[in-house]
Amino acid sequence: QVHLVESGGGLVKPGGSLRLSCAASGFSFSDYYMTWIRQGPGKGLEWVAHISTTGRVTYYADSVKGRFTVSRDNARNSLHLQMDSLRADDTAVYYCARVRGGDWGQGTMVTVSS
Amino acid sequence: DIQMTQSPSSLSASVGDRVIISCRASQDISNDLDWYQQKPGTAPKRLISAASSLQSGVPLRFSGSGSGTKFTLTISSLQPEDFATYYCLQHNTFPNTFGQGTKLEI
Repeated sequence: QVHLVESGGGLVKPGGSLRLSCAASGFSFSDYYMTWIRQGPGKGLEWVAHISTTGRVTYYADSVKGRFTVSRDNARNSLHLQMDSLRADDTAVYYCARVRGGDWGQGTMVTVSS
Repeated sequence: DIQMTQSPSSLSASVGDRVIISCRASQDISNDLDWYQQKPGTAPKRLISAASSLQSGVPLRFSGSGSGTKFTLTISSLQPEDFATYYCLQHNTFPNTFGQGTKLEI
């Protein structure tokens, strides 16, 4: 079955960087576009970034554009989110998702605080 | 960007009630809309894809309808395990956007 496992979350100071990863299994990873979605404490879901099957096409939410970079390694069935210039309002649980299949990971918590 | 207006934001109901949650898109999204259920501390679970296709294993009391700009999620007879927060997601256009969520409470 489909398995998505995020890692790399943690506590970081404002202005710092963090790199999230998502390990995918149970499906042909290179055939699916992938998405990062986040949820701040007590808040709703926010779509963050998309990457095409080849990695050549990416889209970002305005709130992270220029600061976050999504990438993928199809040989390793992995998805990444490089987060730079982090701000307090980036504090959230970050999920990787295969939107077309409706599959999500369990999420990884990112806390931006001094 | 496409705005998804979801209503109501919260709803008090009882076991056995019929509940309808609505999502309205700011422009035509065809049927590129999914419905998710989320319980505290867990990842969202997709209930409905393509506006009206029930996911495998999801009880038949859940149904979705609509196309274009107006969509509804109906729970025909609420069960105790249905008390959760529900979200719609449009994936017709980037950036994809979620509704604000509907918290279903007893």
